[in-house]
Amino acid sequence: GAVVSQHPSWVICKSGTSVKIECRSLDFQATTMFWYRQFPKQSLMLMATSNEGSKATYEQGVEKDKFLINHASLTLSTLTVTSAHPEDSSFYICSARATHSNQPQHFGDGTRLSIL
Amino acid sequence: AQSVTQLGSHVSVSEGALVLLRCNYSSSVPPYLFWYVQYPNQGLQLLLKYTSAATLVKGINGFEAEFKKSETSFHLTKPSAHMSDAAEYFCAVSGDTDKLIFGTGTRLQVFP
Repeated sequence: GAVVSQHPSWVICKSGTSVKIECRSLDFQATTMFWYRQFPKQSLMLMATSNEGSKATYEQGVEKDKFLINHASLTLSTLTVTSAHPEDSSFYICSARATHSNQPQHFGDGTRLSIL
Repeated sequence: AQSVTQLGSHVSVSEGALVLLRCNYSSSVPPYLFWYVQYPNQGLQLLLKYTSAATLVKGINGFEAEFKKSETSFHLTKPSAHMSDAAEYFCAVSGDTDKLIFGTGTRLQVFP
């Protein structure tokens, strides 16, 4: 149980393109979803927290106009990297959690984004 | 506020040897503690969690961790390492916020 599907797993695109990444909870309802960014050989950096039906809460230093997050249903959140540039290249990982904060976050397999 | 310190960015053991990955936490409220494992180019998989029940927590793949409040520690152990255990391990804490605070990770290498 507690499966989170993230799609696509790998994206290569030109600079200036917008890229959408989907995160789905397959067998549970995710009231809260999280988006992380991970640089090579480093830990996960939380970008934003999204609750179903409300605006995402972004961490300090994360551009909300660059990284658009939508959490339209209890099973789907999307991250759109708008007008992507090479410095946006990274590994992006989503996680989903049901109800209470003592429940663990379940992670997707990540999306490797490469901007040329 | 919460924080996590993982001592040792790299740990190397021989196959069959004891695995010990260290994690110390800081929290102003009773913490929830987690260990996750990450294989290359993948997301994180939950190994085990502590949520104020039993202090010795058993997880998947033979791993376990013991919550020691007096030492503010939550070290991860496995009696006998297997080659397939080679991966990156993250300790994380949550408490008074929704957020998971991760440690910097420990890369476990297992030698035959």
